[in-house]
Amino acid sequence: GQNIDQPTEMTATEGAIVQINCTYQTSGFNGLFWYQQHAGEAPTFLSYNVLDGLEEKGRFSSFLSRSKGYSYLLLKELQMKDSASYLCAVGGSWGKLQFGAGTQVVVTP
Amino acid sequence: GAGVSQSPSNKVTEKGKDVELRCDPISGHTALYWYRQSLGQGLEFLIYFQGNSAPDKSGLPSDRFSAERTGGSVSTLTIQRTQQEDSAVYLCASSPGQPVHEAFFGQGTRLTVV
Repeated sequence: GQNIDQPTEMTATEGAIVQINCTYQTSGFNGLFWYQQHAGEAPTFLSYNVLDGLEEKGRFSSFLSRSKGYSYLLLKELQMKDSASYLCAVGGSWGKLQFGAGTQVVVTP
Repeated sequence: GAGVSQSPSNKVTEKGKDVELRCDPISGHTALYWYRQSLGQGLEFLIYFQGNSAPDKSGLPSDRFSAERTGGSVSTLTIQRTQQEDSAVYLCASSPGQPVHEAFFGQGTRLTVV
């Protein structure tokens, strides 16, 4: 089975940086995904890591350490529109995606 | 179509009735997923299709839930004898399949059992 853990909520001010951690224990591993979900909307893809290291994409970066079962999503220069839930997901056997419960990020002025 | 399409977008049903939820994946996507999301909760995995077969249906909460996929395309999630605890948003996603790819989500069906 799979166990995916991430914090429930994080609060940060506009312009700041926030790091959302995700730890996982899986029976199979085919990559680590991050999704963003605004209230009432469908999740949208943010990033994908399959090798160890940092992937940077504009204001968002994602890091993976497979040996530690650990990933983080880094949000820089926070904007009010970044207030959303951020979902960590592990790609497993057969291409299946298993999601964590999500981290609600609240950006304050 | 351009994206994953789900219908209906909203469904209100009486307790005990059966409901069918439909998902049209992105054309050519072999993998299809059903998830359930209750208010303020994360995504609960229900079932995964690769083509027309379901290698993993471990997330279906009871035998009242079933799903099928035909022609490697459209999928239907059926809930029999609905209960109030079935009220949730049911999300469908598709991806190009193996090796694992990002999944693209539909807007979901909001099911309310009264």
